[in-house]
This record gives sequence, structure tokens and C-alpha cells, in this order.
Amino acid sequence: KNQVEQSPQSLIILEGKNCTLQCNYTVSPFSNLRWYKQDTGRGPVSLTIMTFSENTKSNGRYTATLDADTKQSSLHITASQLSDSASYICVVVSTDSWGKLQFGAGTQVVVTP
Amino acid sequence: GAVVSQHPSWVICKSGTSVKIECRSLDFQATTMFWYRQFPKQSLMLMATSNEGSKATYEQGVEKDKFLINHASLTLSTLTVTSAHPEDSSFYICSAVRTAYNEKLFFGSGTQLSVL
Repeated sequence: KNQVEQSPQSLIILEGKNCTLQCNYTVSPFSNLRWYKQDTGRGPVSLTIMTFSENTKSNGRYTATLDADTKQSSLHITASQLSDSASYICVVVSTDSWGKLQFGAGTQVVVTP
Repeated sequence: GAVVSQHPSWVICKSGTSVKIECRSLDFQATTMFWYRQFPKQSLMLMATSNEGSKATYEQGVEKDKFLINHASLTLSTLTVTSAHPEDSSFYICSAVRTAYNEKLFFGSGTQLSVL
């Protein structure tokens, strides 16, 4: 069973609207949680990195939240743009095996005009 | 910012040939690099961990004789897909850990391999 579950699997939103992606994990012991954006046919690009003590972190129009108690994270995209169309991947790192990232399956976001 | 360069970005080859993919850290030293494989609409799957100057550590189910990894310097790791077959067609991605900045992990741009 995947230790990182993302929802929804995909979503379509209108340009200018907001959306929120979810990530639940069971990875333990926890080191940090990362959100990546992956364009089709490209490598992932880091959006945010959060450790246990961080509840929220922003990167432009992207805001990530983390609840380490419930092992949940979200990524909020504000005022979506066409260039936001991509796969958003939640990645969790354990202190037991740094570098062996646990990847979620990703949420495919399509922003339409 | 730190950049990981992966080359080639795409390659088409005949069945039975070998293909080499390079992963370079352009402005930092990387003692550890990782190689992943990704099928369409699926997560990245870790294939192996490459450590400079030592043998790579392969994940369960990954054939080490099929996927040869060499990490000869602190800035270069290579993945060679030997005797490629159509089932090896996939998107291959590398990532590099920035030495002394253990929290910094950078991904290459990926290589799309198509075996005919």
C-alpha cells in the first residue's frame, strides 16, 4: 500500500479560480514533506518543503499546509493560470532513509481558459 | 539556483542496443544521486541509489545487470540501459543531493526512452 495518498486524482478548473489538493501519508518517522510540480515530459520542480514544526509555507500563488498530527497536507493554488496545468506530487521523506522519497501518485491539474 | 542536467532528453533506439543517460550536477557536488523510472500517469519509482566512488544500491526487482549505474565523479552519474527492449520504454529521471545541504534535492529534466 502506498504510504502517500493524494486526492483528487485529477481536476479541471477555470483560469483564475482557486483549488486545493490533498495529501495524506503514513510515512514514519517523519522528516519533511515536499510538494513538486511536474510538467508533462519534464522532471519535478520543488514548490515547498515543510518540516514537522511548520504549518504553512507559501511560494507565490502556491500555499502548502501541514498537520503532522493528522499526517495531512494540502496545496492551495490561488488565482490559477494556464501554466499551472501540470501534475502536482506530494513527497514525504522519512528520517530513517533520507533520499528514499515516498511519492504520491500525483494530482493532474488542468486549467482551462 | 542549483541545476541538475540530464541528457539526452529523449532517445529512440532499436531493440537490443544499449542506451546511456547522463545526469550532471552543474553547480554543486553531489555525493548521492538517485535514478527513477516513471510510467505515464504514475508516480516516480526509485530504481537505484548512486554513491560517488562506490557501487550503486538497487531497489528490489531492478536488474542491476540490466541497468548499469556509474557514479565516477561528484558531478556525474550515468545510467546505461543494456540490451534495451520495448518494455524498457519509459521516462527516466535522476535527482541529486547537494553535498552539505542534505535537505536540498534537485531533479533532472528527465529522459524519454522509446525502444522500437
